[in-house]
Amino acid sequence: DVKVTQSSRYLVKRTGEKVFLECVQDMDHENMFWYRQDPGLGLRLIYFSYDVKMKEKGDIPEGYSVSREKKERFSLILESASTNQTSMYLCASSMTVWGYTFGSGTRLTVV
Amino acid sequence: AQKVTQAQTEISVVEKEDVTLDCVYETRDTTYYLFWYKQPPSGELVFLIRRNSFDEQNEISGRYSWNFQKSTSSFNFTITASQVVDSAVYFCALSEDTGNQFYFGTGTSLTVIP
Repeated sequence: DVKVTQSSRYLVKRTGEKVFLECVQDMDHENMFWYRQDPGLGLRLIYFSYDVKMKEKGDIPEGYSVSREKKERFSLILESASTNQTSMYLCASSMTVWGYTFGSGTRLTVV
Repeated sequence: AQKVTQAQTEISVVEKEDVTLDCVYETRDTTYYLFWYKQPPSGELVFLIRRNSFDEQNEISGRYSWNFQKSTSSFNFTITASQVVDSAVYFCALSEDTGNQFYFGTGTSLTVIP
């Protein structure tokens, strides 16, 4: 089975800090995604990547950046964390149309 | 534009009742894929089913069944004889032909009361 691993389950950071959320998948998937999940808003796409060093903005990229130096790793970066970025962050990978495999999520609190 | 609507925000049922979760989608593509995911309290989204736009056969998997109707752009999910372990948030999703991006509904939170 494909595994998508997110490095932290819970994270607490201070306003203004630079935050790195790491995601690793082990099945050589081309596509990787970062979503945030908020009550009543569902999943919103932040960034996605089709290949190494490639990235595309999703619906809500402001305040975030990403890095994909290796195929298996897709990092989400909060350049200067703010309280409105407190959320659940979900990473996913996919192979074409076979559906996503999600990580277990990182619940980030910015204080 | 792609859009997925799950009008039911929260549903509560008593154990052993049947429950249907609604999903309505919009797309201009002729080829597309529909999905259901389950998110239990642990947080990880779990894949349940994938359907392509050319296959309108209903599917049954144990207590779960799915009704895909292109005429009404709906892909509804029914749980028969619900159990407490079915309590979760359920997401419906739509993918375009390339499968490179998914569009999720806002989710339906199901609570099964013992």
